[in-house]
Amino acid sequence: GMPVEQNPPALSLYEGADSGLRCNFSTTMKSVQWFQQNHRGRLITLFYLAQGTKENGRLKSTFNSKERYSTLHIKDAQLEDSGTYFCAAPNNNRIFFGDGTQLVVKP
Amino acid sequence: EAAVTQSPRNKVAVTGGKVTLSCNQTNNHNNMYWYRQDTGHGLRLIHYSYGAGSTEKGDIPDGYKASRPSQENFSLILELATPSQTSVYFCASEAGQLYFGEGSKLTVL
Repeated sequence: GMPVEQNPPALSLYEGADSGLRCNFSTTMKSVQWFQQNHRGRLITLFYLAQGTKENGRLKSTFNSKERYSTLHIKDAQLEDSGTYFCAAPNNNRIFFGDGTQLVVKP
Repeated sequence: EAAVTQSPRNKVAVTGGKVTLSCNQTNNHNNMYWYRQDTGHGLRLIHYSYGAGSTEKGDIPDGYKASRPSQENFSLILELATPSQTSVYFCASEAGQLYFGEGSKLTVL
């Protein structure tokens, strides 16, 4: 199977809602990185984790290498959170990306 | 702040023409990557490099060459561009964490 499976592929939220994205890995990964791709196409790094949990404002990410997954939680969604979110993880000297989650935040 | 710079940012080429996309990084990272991203899709790896003089094939290398003449520079070369290579191309450097350039939009007519 694919090294990285990301879900959901698409997500629609109203402003103020909370939700989560998830990446499952087919094998043990050493780290994970989460990106947001904004409306201009720019890839913005949100988190880089080798283990545990990190928070930044309304965003929180967890990486569990042993259980082979990572999550990105968005709290109190805002319009500017709209975009596509990707996770990426290294394995065998390669970086593998999930297919992305398209997030639309509606007023 | 790690910096990856791509040029050109926009390019229109004709079918059969040669296109070179350049990437420069000031991070002193050994690993560099070229991806393409098509509308509604994720990133697909074309070529990557472990350091100066090294180039490796990624998942979709056909129709592309790569060159890594120095630690800082990694180029993607389309010797005979085709319309199917119309896409947005991203370069990245990596030392555990990926740092992306701003992307190069290529249109092949």
